[in-house]
Amino acid sequence: SQQGEEDPQALSIQEGENATMNCSYKTSINNLQWYRQNSGRGLVHLILIRSNEREKHSGRLRVTLDTSKKSSSLLITASRAADTASYFCATSLNFGNEKLTFGTGTRLTIIP
Amino acid sequence: GAVVSQHPSRVICKSGTSVKIECRSLDFQATTMFWYRQFPKQSLMLMATSNEGSKATYEQGVEKDKFLINHASLTLSTLTVTSAHPEDSSFYICSALRGTPYHEQYFGPGTRLTVT
Repeated sequence: SQQGEEDPQALSIQEGENATMNCSYKTSINNLQWYRQNSGRGLVHLILIRSNEREKHSGRLRVTLDTSKKSSSLLITASRAADTASYFCATSLNFGNEKLTFGTGTRLTIIP
Repeated sequence: GAVVSQHPSRVICKSGTSVKIECRSLDFQATTMFWYRQFPKQSLMLMATSNEGSKATYEQGVEKDKFLINHASLTLSTLTVTSAHPEDSSFYICSALRGTPYHEQYFGPGTRLTVT
């Protein structure tokens, strides 16, 4: 079964606005990763945050992790039409056990 | 960055036939590869972990005789869907684990299987 839920399931915003997606998970983790998937394509790795980290940045992406609440958020700032995709969080339980469990995903649509 | 390819990208087959999907890591060696299945507008579900030189480990509910996995070399894993049925139609995605010091998975572009 899936590790967690993502919220919202779908999000539509105007180009230039910020998009925030949330991910909740159920068990203790070693790390949490965010991926992007364009329709009918493979996954692109965006960012990895370890369980001892609270925030991480990469370009227009900002990820937070709250292990006490078992939740993470992905913020995309100054959205672009090319950001339209599905976004998934995935958790890994232990270092050395790289099996990933994916969340349900958020479908993001950027309106030009 | 690390590149993983899948072949074919799309395949249509008749019920009862078998289909083989290849997953290759092009510029790194991967002792571990993973196979996922994704239904339309849904998340990825892990089917099995493929280990070079040993038997694959299947997730609960995945029929090992139905989905045959062979990790023939450090750069190639294959998934064979045997005696395919329309309900096997899905998007199959593989990933290859890049080891120390990366410990990251790199995903292939996926294979769309349609069984008629």
